[in-house]
Amino acid sequence: EPEVTQTPSHQVTQMGQEVILRCVPISNHLYFYWYRQILGQKVEFLVSFYNNEISEKSEIFDDQFSVERPDGSNFTLKIRSTKLEDSAMYFCASSAVGANTGELFFGEGSRLTVL
Amino acid sequence: GENVGLHLPTLSVQEGDNSIINCAYSNSASDYFIWYKQESGKGPQFIIDIRSNMDKRQGQRVTVLLNKTVKHLSLQIAATQPGDSAVYFCAESPLYNFNKFYFGSGTKLNVKP
Repeated sequence: EPEVTQTPSHQVTQMGQEVILRCVPISNHLYFYWYRQILGQKVEFLVSFYNNEISEKSEIFDDQFSVERPDGSNFTLKIRSTKLEDSAMYFCASSAVGANTGELFFGEGSRLTVL
Repeated sequence: GENVGLHLPTLSVQEGDNSIINCAYSNSASDYFIWYKQESGKGPQFIIDIRSNMDKRQGQRVTVLLNKTVKHLSLQIAATQPGDSAVYFCAESPLYNFNKFYFGSGTKLNVKP
């Protein structure tokens, strides 16, 4: 069964460092998303991406964040200068075009720990 | 974001019993709702969805009920099994805007053998 894969599964970084989280969405999906989940809290929308541009973004997704689809398979989230409060589980998700459903397929997440 | 929240943070049920997980939302413009299941260490997994023009939808062992009058939806799980133990989230969005979902706080379901 096709799945969304994310790397790394866990990254520890120092405050102020740049981090890139990588995702390989399901191959025939064209909508891509990043969500995050601070430990014990709800899942929060960060950004959606379609046709090589951001469709929507939340107030969390400030200038420190960026997304990119550098090739035909990867979808990345970059945090330029990490802060302690960026520590969270980051989930990538993808969905199919024309599915007439909001079913998002989530990866297993990348845990980011900022020290 | 929109206020989508859950009444009970933890629900414990006996294996074989039925479970009911509740969710309240505040945005009357919300048109589309999804229930997700999140097992420990994994990403959310789609369970069932419902549009605002419906008040009930059934899947395999699951039923979602939507009461637009009081802005409330519930997830019913029949004959709860140990494998149902997880955190359950409701999420909402305006209809046909699948770009952004607002998730609720989550309810942890513990199934006792």
